[in-house]
Amino acid sequence: SYELTQPPSVSVSPGQTASITCSGDKLGDKYASWYQQKPGQSPVLVIYQDAKRPSGIPERFSGSNSGNTATLTISGTQTMDEADYYCQAWDSSTAVFGGGTKLTVL
Amino acid sequence: QVQLQESGPGLVKPSQTLSLTCTVSGGSISSGSYYWSWIRQPAGKGLEWIGRIYTSGSTNYNPSLKSRVTISVDTSKNQFSLKLSSVTAADTAVYYCARVTQQQLRGADPFDIWGQGTMVTVSS
Repeated sequence: SYELTQPPSVSVSPGQTASITCSGDKLGDKYASWYQQKPGQSPVLVIYQDAKRPSGIPERFSGSNSGNTATLTISGTQTMDEADYYCQAWDSSTAVFGGGTKLTVL
Repeated sequence: QVQLQESGPGLVKPSQTLSLTCTVSGGSISSGSYYWSWIRQPAGKGLEWIGRIYTSGSTNYNPSLKSRVTISVDTSKNQFSLKLSSVTAADTAVYYCARVTQQQLRGADPFDIWGQGTMVTVSS
């Protein structure tokens, strides 16, 4: 079965750029979505189709996908961005989520 | 705007069947290029996709759960439902329903609206 791998944790200082990676076999041939989940809340879509932002998502969130790795980039990270982030892709008719990355802003 | 709300028992006994319903409000479940999905999350762990259903009734399931899962839709009630049979403690989780919006590019469909989630505990 298809697998997506994320680092368990990433730390960043406020105002700096955070990058969260998601790795999978030939992931660049698929499309990646990213979800933000804060404690006790439902996930929120922040990036889809590799690099598109839904309405209401700040411009500091961006995405890319090439080769075996998709990357979520948060520019000018704010304390409110501290959360768990999950990547997701479709493999045939099955949705696959990465294990999640805890982003700490300190 | 469209909202999703999960409902169902919070406690299920081992070996029994877990049954949940997701009610869609603010729009018709049959309108637009959407389909509907269930995802779960054990406490402190990641997201696991359970399956999806189109309003035509066509379904796809996570291969690891396929033998125990049934997802159905009732367009007259604007609802879709999940049944998971022969549950064990490993099925204890927060269960989310979500809307998936079809994109022109195949395989690019995101989960764009989520319900608030409902906690289901499997215990005797």
